[in-house]
This record gives sequence, structure tokens and C-alpha cells, in this order.
Amino acid sequence: DTGVSQNPRHKITKRGQNVTFRCDPISEHNRLYWYRQTLGQGPEFLTYFQNEAQLEKSRLLSDRFSAERPKGSFSTLEIQRTEQGDSAMYLCASSLATTGIRMGEQFFGPGTRLTVL
Amino acid sequence: AQTVTQSQPEMSVQEAETVTLSCTYDTSENNYYLFWYKQPPSRQMILVIRQEAYKQQNATENRFSVNFQKAAKSFSLKISDSQLGDTAMYFCAFITVTGNQFYFGTGTSLTVIP
Repeated sequence: DTGVSQNPRHKITKRGQNVTFRCDPISEHNRLYWYRQTLGQGPEFLTYFQNEAQLEKSRLLSDRFSAERPKGSFSTLEIQRTEQGDSAMYLCASSLATTGIRMGEQFFGPGTRLTVL
Repeated sequence: AQTVTQSQPEMSVQEAETVTLSCTYDTSENNYYLFWYKQPPSRQMILVIRQEAYKQQNATENRFSVNFQKAAKSFSLKISDSQLGDTAMYFCAFITVTGNQFYFGTGTSLTVIP
């Protein structure tokens, strides 16, 4: 399967713990996006990478959140000192293009559902 | 600030009928890109249709078409000959030409009734 994969699919943690999620994009895709989706809402942009460079971060991305994309391949999203408000689905998407409308042709992964108790 | 508004949280349509999902957006940009994405129950989000803001011609993809009204900042999705597999959440989305931000609406849950 050459789609976007995310691991784990589900994560339950206690408040105050650190969690890390992984996203493996489609191999030739240059851009990788992270979103957060809560129940009844659309995805909210968190950050994106072009190759290994993190080019934009939303103000939603507090200092407890950090994302990396070493070598421009897979990406990780870490949340430190989790809070109950962090409970959400975390979506990863990748796109091939870096310009033009095809930037928006994003291929989404299945998401990681985080529950903070 | 850019915003995307979908005013219909839920809609239903009879199989084989036509349904239109509404979307409005707000931006100060003159050029941008608009999309409709579909998220079937418990499945991954997939792209349905796209539209460049500088193109006046409405985009069409098989049974899916849009009505893009730039002055009104409206971007509605029409689904013709609705099928059971069209049951999903539909999200309207907007991206700036720099691609630095991607904004989604809150979604419309569409149910196709057999």
C-alpha cells in the first residue's frame, strides 16, 4: 500500500504524559501537513513541512507541541505534558506539489485518535 | 483572517436525486484555491473536486460539480444522481496560493437514503 500511514491509530494516555505520533507520507511527496480534528469540527491546520523544513506553524501549536521531519521522509508529532483538551484526532496529509493548485491535493492518513484521561 | 463556513450541519437526499451543499468563505486574497473533501464513516478523507479562484468556469468531476461565485465568496457542491456511497462528511476547504495555511469548514454530514 502506498498511501499515507499513521501510527498508532489509537492512543490513550493520562494527563501529564508525553505522547508521540508518527506519519509516513507517500514516498515522493514533498509536503507533509499535520491537522487536529475534534468531534463535529473540520480539520484545523497545525503545521506543515516542505521536505525537512518546517515552514509554517499555527498559533494552535503551543510550545507543548513539536513536530519533526528528519531527512524529509516520515514525520513525528510530540505532545508534552498532555492535557484533556488535547484529546482529538490527529491527521497527517501529504502532497506532491509545492506550487499551484496541486498543493491542495492532499492525501490523508487514517489519523491517530488521542484520548487524554 | 480566512474562514470557511458550512451552514448545513446535516443533509439527506434520496438515492438518484440531486443535492447541493453550501459553502461560503472569507478572505482578503485575490487568488486562492478551493476544494471539497469527503470523509466517509471511519475512512480516510479524500479529495472530491478543486477550483482555482482565477478561473470563471465551474469545475466538474463526473457527478460532482461546483457553483463558484467569487464576488459572493460562495463555493457550493452539487452531487447529481446520488449514490449510497456518497454518504459521508463533506468539507469545504481553502488554501492560499503560498500554501502556508489550509482552512476547512465544519463539515456537512450527508446521508443518501435508499
